[in-house]
Amino acid sequence: DQQVKQNSPSLSVQEGRISILNCDYTNSMFDYFLWYKKYPAEGPTFLISISSIKDKNEDGRFTVFLNKSAKHLSLHIVPSQPGDSAVYFCAARNSGGGADGLTFGKGTHLIIQP
Amino acid sequence: DAGVTQSPTHLIKTRGQQVTLRCSPISGHKSVSWYQQVLGQGPQFIFQYYEKEERGRGNFPDRFSARQFPNYSSELNVNALLLGDSALYLCASSFYTSGEQFFGPGTRLTVL
Repeated sequence: DQQVKQNSPSLSVQEGRISILNCDYTNSMFDYFLWYKKYPAEGPTFLISISSIKDKNEDGRFTVFLNKSAKHLSLHIVPSQPGDSAVYFCAARNSGGGADGLTFGKGTHLIIQP
Repeated sequence: DAGVTQSPTHLIKTRGQQVTLRCSPISGHKSVSWYQQVLGQGPQFIFQYYEKEERGRGNFPDRFSARQFPNYSSELNVNALLLGDSALYLCASSFYTSGEQFFGPGTRLTVL
């Protein structure tokens, strides 16, 4: 069973517009959420994170929103740039569960069109 | 500053063989985690080590083992390789067990 779900395998957005990537989770014990970006032949690169005690975190063009009641988070990229084209992974952690390994979604392939 | 490094970059093995993958964390990071990423999926957690001790283990068989050395580098061993072990193996390091994890480029393992 997938505890972290990214239901859109791909997303196409025009350059300069807003990209919104969505992520849902089922485990209510998750208390920390992260977004990673991955280019082919490279490891995932950390983008931004949010603790469950917050509902928003912003870093430059990237903003993550967390809706705990809906068990949903989203990553907003504004404005979208060609270099943003990559696979984006949502990940979650249960800090009280003993193992601090991250649980990842399957990823969303973001394509920024010129 | 050097990031997380992994070796080798690519590896081809046959079924039944054993493989050892290596990881050097970012300087100052004491925790190393290992993940397996098969095509079309997100990375799956295998192990986490902190200060040379195993702190967490994912849902992987006993054929998978790891260790961490005094310099915080780590090795992942997989015995009796199966075709399904073909994947990208990622290593991530962090200051503490609960810190942001920074990933290396991965080792691409192909089992024939």
